[in-house]
Formats: sequence, C-alpha cells, structure tokens
Amino acid sequence: KAGVTQTPRYLIKTRGQQVTLSCSPISGHRSVSWYQQTPGQGLQFLFEYFSETQRNKGNFPGRFSGRQFSNSRSEMNVSTLELGDSALYLCASSFGQGYYGYTFGSGTRLTVV
Amino acid sequence: DQQVKQNSPSLSVQEGRISILNCDYTNSMFDYFLWYKKYPAEGPTFLISISSIKDKNEDGRFTVFLNKSAKHLSLHIVPSQPGDSAVYFCAASAQAAGNKLTFGGGTRVLVKP
Repeated sequence: KAGVTQTPRYLIKTRGQQVTLSCSPISGHRSVSWYQQTPGQGLQFLFEYFSETQRNKGNFPGRFSGRQFSNSRSEMNVSTLELGDSALYLCASSFGQGYYGYTFGSGTRLTVV
Repeated sequence: DQQVKQNSPSLSVQEGRISILNCDYTNSMFDYFLWYKKYPAEGPTFLISISSIKDKNEDGRFTVFLNKSAKHLSLHIVPSQPGDSAVYFCAASAQAAGNKLTFGGGTRVLVKP
C-alpha cells in the first residue's frame, strides 16, 4: 500500500512569507502528526490531528498551524517565516494510538532565505 | 529540558560485530519506547519498540533492553551490516500524552566493511 506522501519535497521561501505543506496519510490512517527536524533542536513534535480535530500540540509559536480534512489529509501552515524555520518537516500517520503503526513520510525540506 | 537523551552522537563498528546504542530518559510517565532509523533526506523508519511492562524485546538482529529503574534503554544490533549505517533515534511516549513522541538527538552509526 502507498506510504505517507508529503508535498512538496523541497521549498525555498523568503523571510516574512507564509508556506503550506501537505501530507497524505496511509489509507485508513486517521491520525496525522507533524514534526520539525533541525540540526540544533533535533526532532520536535508540532501537533497531531485525529478525525479533523487537533488532539495534541507541541511548544511552537502560533505562527505554526495545521488542519486535517475529512479524508484525513493534513496541511500545516507557517506564517511570517523566519530564518530559523528552515528545517525538514515530517509528517507521520497512524491508525489510532500510533504505538504500532506510526509511519513517517520523507519530509518537506523548507529553506527560508 | 531534554527528556530523552542519546549521549553518543556517533558510533563506528566493524561489520559483523555488535552495535550498542544507548538512550536515557527523565520523564517517569513515559511508558512506551521506540527506535527509529533514518537515512538522509528520508523520514525515520520504525525499527523496534518496547512497552514499559517488559525489559527486553527482540526482532531479528535487533534487541531493545529497558531498565526502568535507571531510566535507560539500549538497542543492540547483531551482527552489524554496512546497510545499518544511518542515524538512529530513540523516542518515548506517554499514554497520557497520546501520540506525541519525544525524540533523542540521534546517534550516527557507521558500519565499516
């Protein structure tokens, strides 16, 4: 079956702009989580959506937001981009609690210049 | 406050020998632990996990050990193969926190032929 698909794979944006990243989970998976990976901070949890509701949120400023659609696809948005937002953004999906079926996509590499 | 720590940023091992990766955690609420393997420009791939009610879990060449009293877990890879060269992350979750994973900083493993 198809894995977790993230688009686009690479993105270059200018400081101050906003960006939207997309994630299509594995078919049947209802939970989608987002993580940010940077060299300095490692892998950090952004938020999790389940059945279109945000179920959990990490310690990121309000410029980072997300949503989930009825088909479980998810988007995350970052507004007023800063240089420090340059990172690999990873999406992971699972059927439910995620202990056994937590699958990551290949990520979107965002570069802010 | 790093709740999950991998104190060895890198590890070099000869092909066929054992690789031992270590991970320490501070949050006593963590009740499930996972190891992921990551290649550059790809998302993390799940390797093996362990519940806090167990102290050992094996899957082929991979064994994870959990010492709850020491808040320490380790991943053993035997025998190590060149294809195991990657960055390995340990992650922890707490049922009360839902699907949120807290990651360590990673250990880069190089298996030499």
